[in-house]
Amino acid sequence: DADVTQTPRNRITKTGKRIMLECSQTKGHDRMYWYRQDPGLGLRLIYYSFDVKDINKGEISDGYSVSRQAQAKFSLSLESAIPNQTALYFCATSAADGYTFGSGTRLTVV
Amino acid sequence: RKEVEQDPGPFNVPEGATVAFNCTYSNSASQSFFWYRQDCRKEPKLLMSVYSSGNEDGRFTAQLNRASQYISLLIRDSKLSDSATYLCVVSRMQGGKLIFGQGTELSVKP
Repeated sequence: DADVTQTPRNRITKTGKRIMLECSQTKGHDRMYWYRQDPGLGLRLIYYSFDVKDINKGEISDGYSVSRQAQAKFSLSLESAIPNQTALYFCATSAADGYTFGSGTRLTVV
Repeated sequence: RKEVEQDPGPFNVPEGATVAFNCTYSNSASQSFFWYRQDCRKEPKLLMSVYSSGNEDGRFTAQLNRASQYISLLIRDSKLSDSATYLCVVSRMQGGKLIFGQGTELSVKP
């Protein structure tokens, strides 16, 4: 099993729909992150959490929300999806010994 | 201005060539520095950490110049398998959030 698991791997949704992306980890790391990647723009930080119930906005948090109810889980929600949220989304965890990324969720909003 | 800037490329080189990637960062409080490799929209994977003293791992050499806020990656004797996007990444604290450059695409041709 992967250390950081993202579900779903691929999702197509319609404009205006609510969608949740899930991330779970077995690393035992306190710190978790959500990034999005668009072509030519690298990875940009959406939200991050350094502990259960700790939530911090990243560079591009507008239109997104997150929940960290347990150390192992960090979910990302799009309350009302719009086409420019079409992107590749990565979850990651970190500790002093390094970072681990999930395999990504490819989201398409039509 | 982005906090981490890279030449997006693409760099198209023949097998066996030496190629150098450059990166600059704007926040002098940055503490940790990395090069990540990303294949075909898969998750980024750590290539190497970068230290002020410079470090080498086989055909790869990374350098950090804190005074100039400049990071470099040198790949010698390029292989076809080196074709990927190389991401310059910094962090303001060990194990903290990562800040990505936009990535430099490398294509190694036979």
